[in-house]
Amino acid sequence: QVQLRESGPRLVSPSETLSVTCSVSGDSITTADRFWSWIRQPPGKGLEWIGFVSHSGNSHFNAALQGRVIISTDASRNEISLTLRSVTAADTAVYYCARVSDVCKNGVCWFDPWGQGSLVTVSS
Amino acid sequence: SYVVTQPPSVSVAPGQTATISCAGDRIGSKTVQWYRQRPGQAPVVVLYDDFDRPSGTPERITGSNSGDTATLIITRVEAADEADYFCQVSDYTYLVVFGGGTKLTVL
Repeated sequence: QVQLRESGPRLVSPSETLSVTCSVSGDSITTADRFWSWIRQPPGKGLEWIGFVSHSGNSHFNAALQGRVIISTDASRNEISLTLRSVTAADTAVYYCARVSDVCKNGVCWFDPWGQGSLVTVSS
Repeated sequence: SYVVTQPPSVSVAPGQTATISCAGDRIGSKTVQWYRQRPGQAPVVVLYDDFDRPSGTPERITGSNSGDTATLIITRVEAADEADYFCQVSDYTYLVVFGGGTKLTVL
């Protein structure tokens, strides 16, 4: 059974950098052509896709966030990390990591499973 | 940027049929996925590739996608179906966009 678990600081100051880590069990992040994604959800609002990466280095990002976002992988720890620079209150959200479907390269991209999410609040 | 629109809320009596729409320009040329999110929980995919069901999704949950509208249909609605439902669009360019979500209330 594949499980994902997010962790990281719950509070980040405005203009600083937000970092969240996702630990994966039951699957290897180095599986060829497999993507791993970050998605966020502001409190009481909808879902926003941030981006996804494969361990081999292929990556795709939401254009609205590209430039502030880095998604990296650590094979030794079987982890995926999200870094978001220059945060504002608008970046306050629950941050989810999720595995991407293997057929995403054919245009059919969905997310399963998801982690339980990590709430990050941006405030001074 | 590509925009996907869902109704904010849908209400239905138990045993009736719930229909949730997901509108976007030529959405029929893309693939649509649907997620259910219960309060305090992470989303769970209930349909992918327009109408395919992952294991665990009952047959009374179906989907369609044509023209400018994709639709999630839940027949014989139960109290346990009450949740937020999100559509998510993708295509071969790695476009990924979520709809704003629809709150399904079982009366």
